Amino acid sequence: KQEVTQIPAALSVPEGENLVLNCSFTDSAIYNLQWFRQDPGKGLTSLLLIQSSQREQTSGRLNASLDKSSGRSTLYIAASQPGDSATYLCAVVEGYKLSFGAGTTVTVRA
Amino acid sequence: NAGVTQTPKFQVLKTGQSMTLQCAQDMNHEYMSWYRQDPGMGLRLIHYSVGAGITDQGEVPNGYNVSRSTTEDFPLRLLSAAPSQTSVYFCASSYSRSSATYEQYFGPGTRLTVT
Repeated sequence: KQEVTQIPAALSVPEGENLVLNCSFTDSAIYNLQWFRQDPGKGLTSLLLIQSSQREQTSGRLNASLDKSSGRSTLYIAASQPGDSATYLCAVVEGYKLSFGAGTTVTVRA
Repeated sequence: NAGVTQTPKFQVLKTGQSMTLQCAQDMNHEYMSWYRQDPGMGLRLIHYSVGAGITDQGEVPNGYNVSRSTTEDFPLRLLSAAPSQTSVYFCASSYSRSSATYEQYFGPGTRLTVT
């Protein structure tokens, strides 16, 4: 059974600082890894999808890396803004099924 | 294109009552699934479907029933609600971008409280 862990559970940074969010998983035989953002009381918004053959994926200020051999993915958010405050979830994609971490709740202080 | 829609947004049930959570998607996706989200636990898979007429159990299926008569709809039924089913429920649909890449789309969620 795939176990997905996100540490820390919560993070508070001043505006402008770079964010580094970690995700680890136990079974490296994955299809893809997907990062989501969730605002309080809302659904999930997909941020980045990294295919298993890729090592990283970028979108604007977001960059996600994937190291299957060590069972890790990292989401980098450059020059954080108060609008980046949310919970970030990583999910291991095994076909059409996802195994989620519990998330990291980020607060960016103005 | 509405994406994935869920109704209702909020629901309060008494223990023992039954109800159906509705989910629909208009993207012609083959795959649909239901997850529940509890504090500190992430999302857990309840049931999933790989196409009309085909469903299977996920990680936490007990107390829930599903059917998929059309590609668009995937309702989740609570047979006899229990306080342990208090949670936020998300429906998702996905398609295969390539042979090994599936992209997931989530609905806005249904917040269920069982008293």
